Amino acid sequence: EPEVTQTPSHQVTQMGQEVILRCVPISNHLYFYWYRQILGQKVEFLVSFYNNEISEKSEIFDDQFSVERPDGSNFTLKIRSTKLEDSAMYFCASRNQGEQFFGPGTRLTVL
Amino acid sequence: QKEVEQNSGPLSVPEGAIASLNCTYSDRVSQSFFWYRQYSGKSPELIMSIYSNGDKEDGRFTAQLNKASQYVSLLIRDSQPSDSATYLCAVTPGGTSYGKLTFGQGTILTVHP
Repeated sequence: EPEVTQTPSHQVTQMGQEVILRCVPISNHLYFYWYRQILGQKVEFLVSFYNNEISEKSEIFDDQFSVERPDGSNFTLKIRSTKLEDSAMYFCASRNQGEQFFGPGTRLTVL
Repeated sequence: QKEVEQNSGPLSVPEGAIASLNCTYSDRVSQSFFWYRQYSGKSPELIMSIYSNGDKEDGRFTAQLNKASQYVSLLIRDSQPSDSATYLCAVTPGGTSYGKLTFGQGTILTVHP
């Protein structure tokens, strides 16, 4: 059964460093998403991506964040200068019609 | 701010019982409604989707939607210890939307043998 994959599973970085989180959505899906979940808190929407551009973004998704679909399979989230408060689980999701399917997540730890 | 509210629990039920999970949402024109299960340290796993008023059954799971009351629920019949997890209610907004999900804080369910 097709699934969303994410790499790495765990990323540790120093404050101020850039990180790139990678996702491979389900192959025939057209809509792609990033969410994050700070430990013990709700899953929060960051950004949606459709037709090779950002379709919607939240207040969290400021200038430090960017997304890219560099080829036909990968979907990346870049954080330019990480802060301590960026420590969270980051989930990629994709959908074709109604239902979104989530990847296993990347745990980002900023020291 | 569009909100999705759930009772955080924990909800504890004996094995074999019916677990009832509830969710309310504030955006009256919300379009689509989902229940996800999340085990500790894992990602949300889709259980059910529901788009129109009424009940939708899938195996031991029944989702119920009442748009007039802005209420969606999930019933789990014959609960098993493996059902112990956090259950997340998620809603997509009305109007122009590319399907972003707004999640509730989740209800922790514990099924004890």
